[in-house]
Order: sequence, then structure tokens, then C-alpha cells
Amino acid sequence: ETGVTQSPTHLIKTRGQQVTLRCSSQSGHNTVSWYQQALGQGPQFIFQYYREEENGRGNFPPRFSGLQFPNYSSELNVNALELDDSALYLCASSLSGMGAGSGNEQFFGPGTRLTVL
Amino acid sequence: AQSVTQLGSHVSVSEGALVLLRCNYSSSVPPYLFWYVQYPNQGLQLLLKYTSAATLVKGINGFEAEFKKSETSFHLTKPSAHMSDAAEYFCAVTGGSYIPTFGRGTSLIVHP
Repeated sequence: ETGVTQSPTHLIKTRGQQVTLRCSSQSGHNTVSWYQQALGQGPQFIFQYYREEENGRGNFPPRFSGLQFPNYSSELNVNALELDDSALYLCASSLSGMGAGSGNEQFFGPGTRLTVL
Repeated sequence: AQSVTQLGSHVSVSEGALVLLRCNYSSSVPPYLFWYVQYPNQGLQLLLKYTSAATLVKGINGFEAEFKKSETSFHLTKPSAHMSDAAEYFCAVTGGSYIPTFGRGTSLIVHP
């Protein structure tokens, strides 16, 4: 059974650029959530996708967008990068559409470290 | 609304000593509660979760946590610390929505 994988592991961008981060869910999982973890902080929920539809969003602006594909892999896109977007971006997959809200376990990937200069 | 407070950004113990990491939560509905561990340059791994069954929850690696509704607490304990337990620990709550709220984390330092 393959775990959650993310690419790239590290990324450096400049302010104003756009970035795409990728996540491959654990086999059989149909729900993926994305989190932003700033240095020294806990993860903050960005949004969740269930069967290719966004079904929950945290307090992040529209320049944070996502996609989920038929094979349940996922992308996080961030436009007009700002310095404060520098963080570790985590994706987590789970079996149900409610993700953590149902008490189901989320399986996290190792994250992508984004640095915005 | 829901929130999590982890008391102590750093906790230092000697190898073999009791580990106690504190978590207090607020939730307008019965919550689900989670403890995760994060090792350097890795994602989060679930240690244990409370989902309204037994109030004493046993997890992996010898950790356990007790849900105390009257104290709105979900503290994490381990009887005897091991060097390999040194990591960042996060408490999280979901209550009424599927959006989890994480605490700011507690760094566990284990001295030989």
C-alpha cells in the first residue's frame, strides 16, 4: 500500500509568482485536505476535496485554489504569491467525504516546503 | 466555534520519566479530538483519537490520552519517555464541522 506522496519537496519562488503543488493520495482514499503550516505553528486547514468537488474551505483567499483528479490525486495552486505564503504545505487523504470531521483518520504526506522571496 | 490550547511550547523530560503534554479545547458540540506527532521534515502521524467511545484512549508507541469533559481537556501521557519520542506534538479538534483546528504544537525534548 502506497502512502501519501507530495512533490516537490522544496520550492523557491518570488513574490507575485504562481505555484502548483501536487499530492498523490493513499490508495483507495477519495478525500484530500490541504493544510498550511507556518514555521512554529500548527497546520491550518485550507480546503478539502471529495470526489473532485471542493466540500469545505478554511479562512484562505481565493488565490488559493485546488483540483482533485479522477484518480484522487490533487493539486494546490497559489497565485500572486506573498511573503507570508512561505510555509510547509501538507496534504492529507482519508476515506470519507467528511475527512477529519467524521473522526476518520487522515494520512499526511511529508509536505512541500515553499519559500517566497 | 472551536479552538485548541496547548500549554507549553516546549516540554523537557529525562529518558524514562513520565511524559505529560497538555491540551485544552473548546467546542460548541461534542468534539472529536486527535493527537498527532511530527518528526523533523516529515508529515503528521496520528497517535490516537477520541470519537465519543471510551474516555481513555490508547494510541501507538505507548501513548494514551484521557478525555475529560468537565475540564475540557485531552492531555497526552506516556509512562516512560524514550529518546525516539523527541518530536513535535499537535492536538486537534473537530466539532460540528469537518474543519479541524490544530494547536500550536508542543516540542518534546528528551534528555539522556
